[in-house]
Amino acid sequence: AQKITQTQPGMFVQEKEAVTLDCTYDTSDQSYGLFWYKQPSSGEMIFLIYQGSYDEQNATEGRYSLNFQKARKSANLVISASQLGDSAMYFCAMRPYSGGYQKVTFGIGTKLQVIP
Amino acid sequence: ETGVTQSPTHLIKTRGQQVTLRCSSQSGHNTVSWYQQALGQGPQFIFQYYREEENGRGNFPPRFSGLQFPNYSSELNVNALELDDSALYLCASSANGVGRSSEQYFGPGTRLTVT
Repeated sequence: AQKITQTQPGMFVQEKEAVTLDCTYDTSDQSYGLFWYKQPSSGEMIFLIYQGSYDEQNATEGRYSLNFQKARKSANLVISASQLGDSAMYFCAMRPYSGGYQKVTFGIGTKLQVIP
Repeated sequence: ETGVTQSPTHLIKTRGQQVTLRCSSQSGHNTVSWYQQALGQGPQFIFQYYREEENGRGNFPPRFSGLQFPNYSSELNVNALELDDSALYLCASSANGVGRSSEQYFGPGTRLTVT
């Protein structure tokens, strides 16, 4: 079974500053994918960034980067130069590449608030 | 926008009734997954359809059922509604595969309230 742990219920960050959202995971699978999603108050889940378990380099997508530490089973999201529009819920998720179907397990989320 | 649409946007039902939620997947995607997101929680996987067959299911009772059509659109049916079924229901489409291509594109969700 897979488990995602996000220990920060809420985070505040000053506009233009960087912020790190924590995520740890537990799985017995050797091959898996890690995802971060943003969910504004409107409810739609917006894909931010992907990291494969065999990727040697940390993923980056614009202002988003993923700090992947495989041995620690950690996949923290770093948002640089925060903007007011970044205020939202952020979910870490993972999908194992075994089992033949795409069951994605989500964490409980972190609410990020960007302060002007 | 992802190209994944869901209908209706909001729905209010009474306990014991039945409900059908609909999802149109993004062009080129043959896999649809459904999730239930209760207030203050992360999405919980209900089931997944690949080429019209259910090929994975989470810990949800049989009164949660679904269909996928030849055009890969999908329905989620819930019978004998309970108060705890009140949630945001999210549909996600993807191309079946591994790696970056397994990214799921989510629709805006249907907010179901059971009274």
